[in-house]
Amino acid sequence: QKEVEQNSGPLSVPEGAIASLNCTYSDRGSQSFFWYRQYSGKSPELIMFIYSNGDKEDGRFTAQLNKASQYVSLLIRDSQPSDSATYLCAVASPRGFQKLVFGTGTRLLVSP
Amino acid sequence: DAGVTQSPTHLIKTRGQQVTLRCSPKSGHDTVSWYQQALGQGPQFIFQYYEEEERQRGNFPDRFSGHQFPNYSSELNVNALLLGDSALYLCASSPPGGASGNTIYFGEGSWLTVV
Repeated sequence: QKEVEQNSGPLSVPEGAIASLNCTYSDRGSQSFFWYRQYSGKSPELIMFIYSNGDKEDGRFTAQLNKASQYVSLLIRDSQPSDSATYLCAVASPRGFQKLVFGTGTRLLVSP
Repeated sequence: DAGVTQSPTHLIKTRGQQVTLRCSPKSGHDTVSWYQQALGQGPQFIFQYYEEEERQRGNFPDRFSGHQFPNYSSELNVNALLLGDSALYLCASSPPGGASGNTIYFGEGSWLTVV
């Protein structure tokens, strides 16, 4: 079982729709969860981080965390073509100092 | 305030050669981590340096080694390059006292191609 799992996609949504990206993790001791956006050929860019169960909203982005189910998601409202990228879920290892464990990423395609 | 800077941005090496990649952390940061991102994969943790010592290491062979200097900058060295070492190498820095969610910064990466 992989430590952090994501569907590789691509996830295709029309412009203006809600994109829902999902991630599961295996280590129940994990405390910190991150979503990064990565454009082709570029380095990852932090979009959201979440520590507590529930929802955290920032503009068009909402991160959702359910520690009981070991599940974290990212919702992108009013999706734009510029949101087309790979979205990486990362979990901070509870036994490592600031070590991030990444999923393989979900490729999102937003069509005009 | 400069962020995390990495050099070189792109390089091509031949199998069996050695490569050194460099990273300068964001101002005020003292911890440097290195990640390898192969095509189509998420970044994988190589190792982390703090106070000029390797603090933790991922599942990478001894061909991968590193160093941290007194000014907190860091180098990643890879010996006996294999074709499979072709990847984007990312440096991440974080501040004293540990990182919260928005204090781990990634550099733009170094693209290594091994032919």
